[in-house]
Amino acid sequence: GENVEQHPSTLSVQEGDSAVIKCTYSDSASNYFPWYKQELGKGPQLIIDIRSNVGEKKDQRIAVTLNKTAKHFSLHITETQPEDSAVYFCAASMDTDKLIFGTGTRLQVFP
Amino acid sequence: ETGVTQTPRHLVMGMTNKKSLKCEQHLGHNAMYWYKQSAKKPLELMFVYNFKEQTENNSVPSRFSPECPNSSHLFLHLHTLQPEDSALYLCASSQEAGGDGYTFGSGTRLTVV
Repeated sequence: GENVEQHPSTLSVQEGDSAVIKCTYSDSASNYFPWYKQELGKGPQLIIDIRSNVGEKKDQRIAVTLNKTAKHFSLHITETQPEDSAVYFCAASMDTDKLIFGTGTRLQVFP
Repeated sequence: ETGVTQTPRHLVMGMTNKKSLKCEQHLGHNAMYWYKQSAKKPLELMFVYNFKEQTENNSVPSRFSPECPNSSHLFLHLHTLQPEDSALYLCASSQEAGGDGYTFGSGTRLTVV
């Protein structure tokens, strides 16, 4: 079955700097890769996703890149702000199969 | 609120107690899920319901018993739990069973004493 690894487990950046979180997946048949943000006391919320037919997707300060050959995908946050502080989860799935999540990255943005 | 409501938000129960977690979605979705979130572990899928039918039980112990009376409601009945069952239990829903477009609730923080 699918296995998703996520790094780093914690990430601290200065406000205004960029943050990058990386994930690898094992099943080459996976074709859907969402990213979730979980704030304290809340459930995970979808922030951006990408499908295997594209290599990059952007939404304002957030971007996701996908390298199908290497089975890597990454979340990029530019111009970080304190409100970006949260736990971020990557996930992977294939068509109608269930989502498999990574272990999460705790991002702290210091003013 | 995300459209998926979980109650209670917090629950403390003894190992001999019986309690239930409730999840309700107002999104018109047809699939609902229970996940367990423990510290420093990936979210663990427990159960999947699609159009009220259970389609997956991810080797969950029988002390956890799900119930899905309709596409909008999902319950998790708990009995004779162990301290290691303490975790955040998350409910999610999606239009169809699969990986796309999950909406999560805020979870129930369960502590077993």
